[in-house]
Amino acid sequence: DAGVTQSPTHLIKTRGQQVTLRCSPKSGHDTVSWYQQALGQGPQFIFQYYEEEERQRGNFPDRFSGHQFPNYSSELNVNALLLGDSALYLCASSTPLGGRTDTQYFGPGTRLTVL
Amino acid sequence: AQSVTQLGSHVSVSEGALVLLRCNYSSSVPPYLFWYVQYPNQGLQLLLKYTSAATLVKGINGFEAEFKKSETSFHLTKPSAHMSDAAEYFCAVTVNSGGYQKVTFGTGTKLQVIP
Repeated sequence: DAGVTQSPTHLIKTRGQQVTLRCSPKSGHDTVSWYQQALGQGPQFIFQYYEEEERQRGNFPDRFSGHQFPNYSSELNVNALLLGDSALYLCASSTPLGGRTDTQYFGPGTRLTVL
Repeated sequence: AQSVTQLGSHVSVSEGALVLLRCNYSSSVPPYLFWYVQYPNQGLQLLLKYTSAATLVKGINGFEAEFKKSETSFHLTKPSAHMSDAAEYFCAVTVNSGGYQKVTFGTGTKLQVIP
């Protein structure tokens, strides 16, 4: 049973560029959440996708956008990169809440460095 | 709104000694609580979760945590530390927000195990 996978593993970009990160959820999961983890910090919630729509969003600017595909995989796009966007980006998958909280399973992350 | 406070960004214990990592939460609704572990350059792995069943929760690798509503705490313990326990540990609180999970992480505690 494949867990959550993310690509690429590492990425180096320069300020002002755009980046796309990809995530495939754990088998049987249809909800994908994205987190930003800056060095020495806990993960910060960016947004969550279910049924190809953004359902919740954290305190991140519109430069951060996403997409979910019919096969439940997801992309995170960041435009106009800033130095402060350098971080580990984590994807987590889960099943819909449905009145109960399910566990989020995390991928290994994509390390983004902005120069 | 919910929040998590992890007391002590760094904790050092001797191999074989008790591990105690502290977590206090704030939530306006009944929370679900999680502990995750993160090894260097890896994603987050679930250690254990509290979902309103038993207040003492046992997890993987010999870890356990006790939910204390009166103290709004969910401290993580392990009777005897092993060198392989050296990692960063994150406490997280999850609440139902409009039918979807809203997850908030603490800032993490780095555990050092001294031989």
